Amino acid sequence: EVQLLESGGGLVQPGGSLRLSCAASGFTFSTYAMVWVRQAPGKGLEWVSAITNNGAGTYYTDSLKGRVTIFRDNSKNTLYLQLSSLRVDDTAVYYCAKVRANCCWHFDLWGRGTLVTVSS
Amino acid sequence: EIVLTQSPATLSLSPGERATLSCRASQSIGNYLAWYQQKPGQTPRLLIYDEFNRATGIPARFSGSGSGTDFTLTISSLEPEDFAVYYCQHRSNWPLTFGGGTKVEIK
Repeated sequence: EVQLLESGGGLVQPGGSLRLSCAASGFTFSTYAMVWVRQAPGKGLEWVSAITNNGAGTYYTDSLKGRVTIFRDNSKNTLYLQLSSLRVDDTAVYYCAKVRANCCWHFDLWGRGTLVTVSS
Repeated sequence: EIVLTQSPATLSLSPGERATLSCRASQSIGNYLAWYQQKPGQTPRLLIYDEFNRATGIPARFSGSGSGTDFTLTISSLEPEDFAVYYCQHRSNWPLTFGGGTKVEIK
């Protein structure tokens, strides 16, 4: 089955860190660029970060730049997002998603998400 | 940063009616626009990419149009399963951004 499965979310105090993982299956992971998108409770979608299929190119939203690192291990079919200096307004469901095609940053496969709650 | 403004925020319609959703970009994005559907408690689903191309498995009642700065998602005849929130997203440059969403609710 073609799927993405996120993990690593949880409750963390302000200033803390988390590493999110996204395990891919059912497709050739190393072929596709990937992204992280988040959604705060009751809010819309916000793009967080992107990475090319070979990991050579990485991109970040300005609001998280310096506090987030995206990377991937193609040998393990896994995408990661390292979050640090977390703030209360980083609370959200974090989704990983796969591009439809490497030419184009539109996303045709999404995971179910992992909830990150930043609170003291 | 390109800002995508969706309107209306909420669209109240009955099954069988036509839905017209708008997405306006703060600067030209060519045809590099996608539409997603998200139902409560579910993940987003790609409907339309690059303005008018339907994603795999998307019914023909969904269509996209427009170019430059003004885009439209049309649902020709609403089915019960179409009541959801719809987001547009551009891929013209970095950062990628999404619109704020339009909720299509049952009237």
